[in-house]
Parts: sequence; structure tokens; C-alpha cells
Amino acid sequence: GNSVTQMEGPVTLSEEAFLTINCTYTATGYPSLFWYVQYPGEGLQLLLKATKADDKGSNKGFEATYRKETTSFHLEKGSVQVSDSAVYFCALTPISSGSARQLTFGSGTQLTVLP
Amino acid sequence: DTGVSQNPRHKITKRGQNVTFRCDPISEHNRLYWYRQTLGQGPEFLTYFQNEAQLEKSRLLSDRFSAERPKGSFSTLEIQRTEQGDSAMYLCASSLARGQGAREQYFGPGTRLTVT
Repeated sequence: GNSVTQMEGPVTLSEEAFLTINCTYTATGYPSLFWYVQYPGEGLQLLLKATKADDKGSNKGFEATYRKETTSFHLEKGSVQVSDSAVYFCALTPISSGSARQLTFGSGTQLTVLP
Repeated sequence: DTGVSQNPRHKITKRGQNVTFRCDPISEHNRLYWYRQTLGQGPEFLTYFQNEAQLEKSRLLSDRFSAERPKGSFSTLEIQRTEQGDSAMYLCASSLARGQGAREQYFGPGTRLTVT
């Protein structure tokens, strides 16, 4: 079956530090990959996505590259801000004909950025 | 576009009672999903609808769980004879599915259920 493994947290960084959150996946075929973010007290929001190998998703300074050879989709940001403090979820959805296209999520990584 | 809405936002119930949650998707979206999220975990898929048809329900946690989407608009998730283990956040998401492409799912704020 499909699964997503995420770097365990919590992660605590100082403002302007470099961020990497590791994500690897197991799936049949070539799924689409996503990063969702959950700010305190809010619902899940899509942060970025990539739908095929070597695609790079980017948004709000965050980037992730779909690496088929390593089955990875690591999230990076060059300079984090206090406002980036949130829980980050890596997720995939299969692209097979007739599938439900439901999301399979990792367990989430709590990020805290200190001023 | 007001986004996905869910009601109620919080529900406290006694063990053994029935509860029903409502989800209103983004108006033009034809797919609607239900997920459950427990503390410290990612959301777990429960069921989904394409318009009014429930196309996948094998992941519903037990026969105490049921969902409907009459007329392909809003959806309800019912849990009968609640148990303490049902305490969780219940999330609804919707998407516009066309052809083979993956469309992002937009999530509501969730309904937090506490069973005492």
C-alpha cells in the first residue's frame, strides 16, 4: 500500500535559519506529492505540490523537488520566520485510473521558529 | 467562494450517544472526502463521494460510521453509539476532479469530537 514517512519533530530553529524537513514515500506507480501546513487553530492548507518526477513545487519561499530515484519530497526554506511555526504534513495521492485519489499523509512535523 | 465549512466546530458527547457532523464543500467541487485526525498523527482517509455517489467506504472505521451526500451538495458523517476511542478531529475536504489529473483537496476547519 501507499505510505509516507516524515522526519520526526519537533523541530526548533532560530529566525533566518535554513529548514529541511525530510519526506520519503512508498507508492505504486507515480503519485502526486504534496506538502500541507496546519497553523495553530486553523485547518490544513496546501503549501505546494508536484505531479511528476523532477518537478519542483514552490510557495511562500518553501520548495520541494519530486525525486523518483530516492522516492523523496523534502521540504526546504532558506530563511524561516516566526510566522512559519506550524505543523507540516507530507502527503501523496495515487494517479491510477478509478482510484479515489485520497491523500495518504505522514505523521506531521511540528516546527517552532524562535525570534 | 467561502471555502469548505464544517459544523459544529466542537462536539462533546457522552459515550453511547449518536453524533452527526455536517460538511459544506466549495460549491463547484464534485468530490468530497472525510478524514479523521488523532493527536500527533496525520489525517486518515475514511470515505469519499463523487457527486452523490459514495464510491469508497471500506475505510470507515466500523459499521457505527456512516456518511451521506444527498443531492451531491453537503455531506453528513454520523457516528452511532460513540466510544471514547472515537474522540478525534474529523476533517472534510473537497476537490474538483476532471480526467486523470490530481486536483488539490481543500480542507475545512474540522469538527473536534470529545467522547466522555
